[in-house]
Amino acid sequence: QLQLQESGPGLVRPSETLSLTCSVAGGSITSTTHYWAWVRQPPGKGLEWIGGISYSGSTYFNPSLKSRVTMTIDTSKNQFSLKLTSVTAADTAVYYCASPHSSCWFAPEFWGQGILFTVSA
Amino acid sequence: ETVMTQTPLSLSVTPGQPASISCKSSQSLRHTDGRTYLYWYLQKPGQSPQLLIYEVSNRLSGVPDRFSGSGSGTDFTLKISRVEAEDAGIYYCLQAIQPLTFGGGTKVEIK
Repeated sequence: QLQLQESGPGLVRPSETLSLTCSVAGGSITSTTHYWAWVRQPPGKGLEWIGGISYSGSTYFNPSLKSRVTMTIDTSKNQFSLKLTSVTAADTAVYYCASPHSSCWFAPEFWGQGILFTVSA
Repeated sequence: ETVMTQTPLSLSVTPGQPASISCKSSQSLRHTDGRTYLYWYLQKPGQSPQLLIYEVSNRLSGVPDRFSGSGSGTDFTLKISRVEAEDAGIYYCLQAIQPLTFGGGTKVEIK
C-alpha cells in the first residue's frame, strides 16, 4: 500500500510563501498517469481540493487558488510539491497530499497524515 | 463550479441501526464518458480521510458491505445498513469533475 508523507515548515508569516513536499513510498509516482493531489482542511472545517499534478507535470488547480498555486513533481525523488504564495490567515489549515484512485484522473485514494500549516506574524 | 450539498449536518445513530446520508450536486455528475464521478470518504476523529466508495456505488477493497452507495445525476446517497461504533466520524462526498468539490460533511455520532 502506498504511503504518503507531507513535510515543510509549520509556520509562515502573512504574505510569505507556503512550501510543502509530499514523499511517496511503496510505489512509484510514474506508475499512474492520474493526478496526485493536494487537499486542505481549515481547523474544524471541511475539505477543499487545491489541485493535482501528473507525473508529466500537467496540472489542474482550484480556480479560487489558481493565481497563487504552483505544483511541481520530481520523479527521481518520488516526490511532488506545493507552493502557495501571498498567504493569509485564511490559508491556515491541515494540508494533505494524496494519491489518485485508478477509476478517475483526479479523485484521491490514499492520503498522507496531513501537516498543519499556520499563518501568523 | 459544482456545489455539493450534504444532509443532514449530523446524525446520532444507535449501533445496529441504519443510517443514510444525502449528497446533492448543483449539476449532473454524469460525465461525457458515461461515468459518474461521485465519491464518498470517511474521516475518523484525528485521522486523514479514507476512500469508501468510488463512482457512486463501488466499495473500495476492504470496505464492509454494510456500506452502500446509490444515486444518479445530481442525487446520491450513502447508506450504512447496521451502524457500528467504528463508523463514527465525518462523511464527505466528492465530485471529481474539474474543478473538484467536496460536500460540507455529515458528522455521524454513535449513541
